[in-house]
Amino acid sequence: AQSVSQHNHHVILSEAASLELGCNYSYGGTVNLFWYVQYPGQHLQLLLKYFSGDPLVKGIKGFEAEFIKSKFSFNLRKPSVQWSDTAEYFCAVNPNTNAGKSTFGDGTTLTVKP
Amino acid sequence: ETGVTQTPRHLVMGMTNKKSLKCEQHLGHNAMYWYKQSAKKPLELMFVYNFKEQTENNSVPSRFSPECPNSSHLFLHLHTLQPEDSALYLCASSPQSRQGTTGELFFGEGSRLTVL
Repeated sequence: AQSVSQHNHHVILSEAASLELGCNYSYGGTVNLFWYVQYPGQHLQLLLKYFSGDPLVKGIKGFEAEFIKSKFSFNLRKPSVQWSDTAEYFCAVNPNTNAGKSTFGDGTTLTVKP
Repeated sequence: ETGVTQTPRHLVMGMTNKKSLKCEQHLGHNAMYWYKQSAKKPLELMFVYNFKEQTENNSVPSRFSPECPNSSHLFLHLHTLQPEDSALYLCASSPQSRQGTTGELFFGEGSRLTVL
């Protein structure tokens, strides 16, 4: 079974600071990778995804993530955060099979101070 | 508007009650899921339905009973729950073909359940 590890449980940044949230997974086969975001009081929504091709993927609101296969990592980055980025961020891994069962990390709470 | 609608948004029930959570998706997807989100814990997959057939029961206690009458609707029937079952229950859907799925999930806003 696959597992997902998010290294930071709570990150506090000032506006304009750069962000990097770590995500590592364990699974021996091909995977699809996702970052989801949950803004306060809102539903979980997709931030970005990686299926294949260019390992650097861009998502909404200036976020990007890089898949490093050798490190089993899919870290999320943003060069300059805004107060509105305050949210909880979840990394998820889905084996590239017919099962469609995504495994989520524990989540990282990001607080951006104005 | 997420395309996945869950009702009720909030539910308080006693341990002897029977209630149901409802999920409806308007995205034309063929796979639907129940997840449990508890504080300080990762999302826990509970059930998966593909083309109305249950394909995953992640060792969920029998006091939770899912029902999927068609590809657009998913229910979670609740019966003699425990206080530790209090959580946010999330419904999700994904596009599923006979060849498989990418695993991209579209979530509803959740049903906040409190068991007294």
